[in-house]
Formats: sequence, C-alpha cells, structure tokens
Amino acid sequence: EIVLTQSPGTLSLSPGERATLSCRASQSVTNRYLAWYQQKPGQALRLLIYGASTRATGIPDRFSGSGSGTDFTLTITGLEPEDFALYYCQQYGTSPPYSFGQGTKLEIK
Amino acid sequence: EVQLLESGGDLVQPGGSLRLSCAASGFAFGDYAMSWVRQAPGKRLEWVSGISGSASIIKYADSVKGRFTISRDNSKYTLYLQMNSLRAEDTAIYYCAKKGPYSDNWSMYFDFWGQGTLVTVSS
Repeated sequence: EIVLTQSPGTLSLSPGERATLSCRASQSVTNRYLAWYQQKPGQALRLLIYGASTRATGIPDRFSGSGSGTDFTLTITGLEPEDFALYYCQQYGTSPPYSFGQGTKLEIK
Repeated sequence: EVQLLESGGDLVQPGGSLRLSCAASGFAFGDYAMSWVRQAPGKRLEWVSGISGSASIIKYADSVKGRFTISRDNSKYTLYLQMNSLRAEDTAIYYCAKKGPYSDNWSMYFDFWGQGTLVTVSS
C-alpha cells in the first residue's frame, strides 16, 4: 500500500500570502492519480484537485496542483480567509484500498 | 445540487452491530460507484468499502472484511453499511462519498462527500 506523507503538519500564513503544501508518496503514483481535498469543521470534504493538476468544478483558480511520480504540491496563491482549513491528499492509482495523507492544517498567522 | 446525508451513527458496545445509511440526491445515483470512508480520532482518512453503481462489484478494506457489508438501493437513492462484530478501533466518523466522474473504474477519487456520522464503540 502506498503511504502518503504530507508536509508541513501546520502552515501559518497571512491572508494574501502564498501557501505551498506537499504530499510525498512512498512509491510512484500511477498516472498522476492524486487528489486534494479541503476540510472545514462541521462541513463535508470538498474536492479541489484531481489528476494531480485538474481543478474540480467551481474551484477558484488560486488553487493549483502539480507534481508527478512521488512528489506532489498544492499551491494556493493569494490566500483568502475562507482558505484556512485542513487539506488532505489521496492517491487512487492503485486498486482499493486508496490511501490518504495525514493532513496539513493551514492556519492564520 | 448533490447532497449526501449519512445517518445511523451511535454508541454501541464491542461485538455489537449498527447499520449506517447515506441518502443521496441531486445526481443519477445508480450511475455511480459509492464508497464509505472513515476517520478515527487523530487518525488519517481510511477507505472502508466501495460498491459499483449496479452493486455487481464490491470491495472492502482488509480491516473490515468479513464484518462489514456494503449495499445500495438504487430505487431509494440510498447507500448502506452494515457493521457487525464492532471493535473499539472501528470508532470513527463514517463518510459516504461519490465516485468522481472522470475516475477510471476502480481508480477513483471522490467529488462529493457527506458530513459524516459518528460511530463510537465502547462499553
């Protein structure tokens, strides 16, 4: 099973700044099948990115994904107050079980 | 608007049983595979089980195989998870999630999630 490690665990930034979140896989992710999700307290998880770099419907273009192989990045440019949340990566390049990262908390500095 | 609403979570004793439901709306339910994903306190998300749109293909994580049963009723737009022989380590928030439309067969991401239902296994 592929293990995903996200870093940093917590990222403290101010609105307007750029956030860079990392997701590293223990082995290569097939076909760049890597997704990113946002989670806020009491709310459903929200799909941001799939296929490593394709934005989901309705996701603002300040969110972008990149990477391949074992290293993937979620970048948020010009942080808005509503962007402060938990972020998870998920690989789906292998048959189930799919694996998730442990999460990065993006907090207001 | 796609909505997924889980229910059925409760406090149950070890060895007990529980059935979770997920009511879906806003999309052609029978056309999409669905999954259950859980998150134990302080732990990462864990995929639990998945079922194809027609219910012809079902998959489980090793941690629940033989104890949990996933099913669906497409006429009622509802997904189920029957959980038997519950253990303390099954304590978690359980989410239902819809397969993303551009996923390949069983290589799937999830484009919509419910808000979850809490299952607590404790004596």
